[in-house]
Amino acid sequence: GAVVSQHPSRVICKSGTSVKIECRSLDFQATTMFWYRQFPKKSLMLMATSNEGSKATYEQGVEKDKFLINHASLTLSTLTVTSAHPEDSSFYICSAWDTYEQYFGPGTRLTVT
Amino acid sequence: RKEVEQDPGPFNVPEGATVAFNCTYSNSASQSFFWYRQDCRKEPKLLMSVYSSGNEDGRFTAQLNRASQYISLLIRDSKLSDSATYLCVVNAGKSTFGDGTTLTVKP
Repeated sequence: GAVVSQHPSRVICKSGTSVKIECRSLDFQATTMFWYRQFPKKSLMLMATSNEGSKATYEQGVEKDKFLINHASLTLSTLTVTSAHPEDSSFYICSAWDTYEQYFGPGTRLTVT
Repeated sequence: RKEVEQDPGPFNVPEGATVAFNCTYSNSASQSFFWYRQDCRKEPKLLMSVYSSGNEDGRFTAQLNRASQYISLLIRDSKLSDSATYLCVVNAGKSTFGDGTTLTVKP
């Protein structure tokens, strides 16, 4: 099946710093990618839809200036958490559809100290 | 009310047991339905799609009732390796996830 990769898999950073997470579709092209976050024992919450060559679409309550999304190519989307705070600590997962199935990246566990 | 609601669980069952999970959704315009499996600290992986006619894949059977806006997953002859969180996913243009039901299969 299709593969979606994410990098890094785990990051620990200090409050106030910015963190960039990369999401790549390895064997298919994705004009649209999705970014989710997941808190412990909770489900995935869609943060934004990343559109290749245009602006991302953010879900209600998600600050677009806080979570910067860039989808510069058909295989790469990036999420930058700017000026991270401890409450941003979470599991961030990207995904993309390949024809009929939605594939997820392995996730990035962000811890802000 | 949540858009997708699942049995809260957890379900703790012995090996060989049959277990059923339920899921209801509120958006009648939903078009596609899925069950995903998520292991601890891992990404979700597709278990099966759910069709109106019902579908079966080995020990797993999924059912969809559009009139009642209800989806189910039945696992027969549970294995230890079935222990995971099962996510109900409903798509009406974008995927909405239930909170998941945790299953623990014990020897």
